[in-house]
Amino acid sequence: QVQLNQWGAGLLKPSETLSLTCAVYGGSFSAYYWSWIRQSPGKGLEWIGEITSRGNTKYDPSLKSRLTMSVDTSKNQFSLKLNSVTAADTAVFYCARGGRLSNLFDSWGQGTPVTVSS
Amino acid sequence: EIVMTQSPATLSVSPGERATLSCRASQSVSSNLAWYQQKPGQAPRLLISGASTRATGIPARFTGSGSGTEFTLTISSLQSEDFAVYYCQQYNNWPSTFGQGTKVEIK
Repeated sequence: QVQLNQWGAGLLKPSETLSLTCAVYGGSFSAYYWSWIRQSPGKGLEWIGEITSRGNTKYDPSLKSRLTMSVDTSKNQFSLKLNSVTAADTAVFYCARGGRLSNLFDSWGQGTPVTVSS
Repeated sequence: EIVMTQSPATLSVSPGERATLSCRASQSVSSNLAWYQQKPGQAPRLLISGASTRATGIPARFTGSGSGTEFTLTISSLQSEDFAVYYCQQYNNWPSTFGQGTKVEIK
């Protein structure tokens, strides 16, 4: 059974860079696409972007200019960096496993609350 | 992008009763519709994909139906562990989008 465990800094100041990492245990890392999703009271659940084990990425257009995802297949980990954060980026961030053919998320990380405040 | 609209926002139901949740897409998503359950402090959990296929381990009291733009999640006899927030998600078009959720609370 696959498990996703995520970590990263939870309190940031405006203009700083958000960094999160998600480790995948069990299952095939290469057979799936790996996504980040955030949840805020104002916007609900939002898909942010995805990465494959080969490092191919797809980002939400509204975040594309600030977003970088990377993958480390030797550790079965993938990461997110979102720069120039503002209060609007305050949310709970989740990593999740998606299918090759669809953004259907069958396994999720535990979530990381992120607050952006001066 | 496709907008997913869920109704009602809150549903008050007594244990043992039936709950019916609705989800509408702003354009057809075929049967590429999923339902998730989220409890406080937890990540969403996949309940149903393909509009009607229960995920592994999901009890038979959860039934999904619909296609195109209109979808329904029915919980036939609510158990205490079913009180939660439910989200629909379309994955037919990129980017995938979620509804704003329906909270099922104890009446």
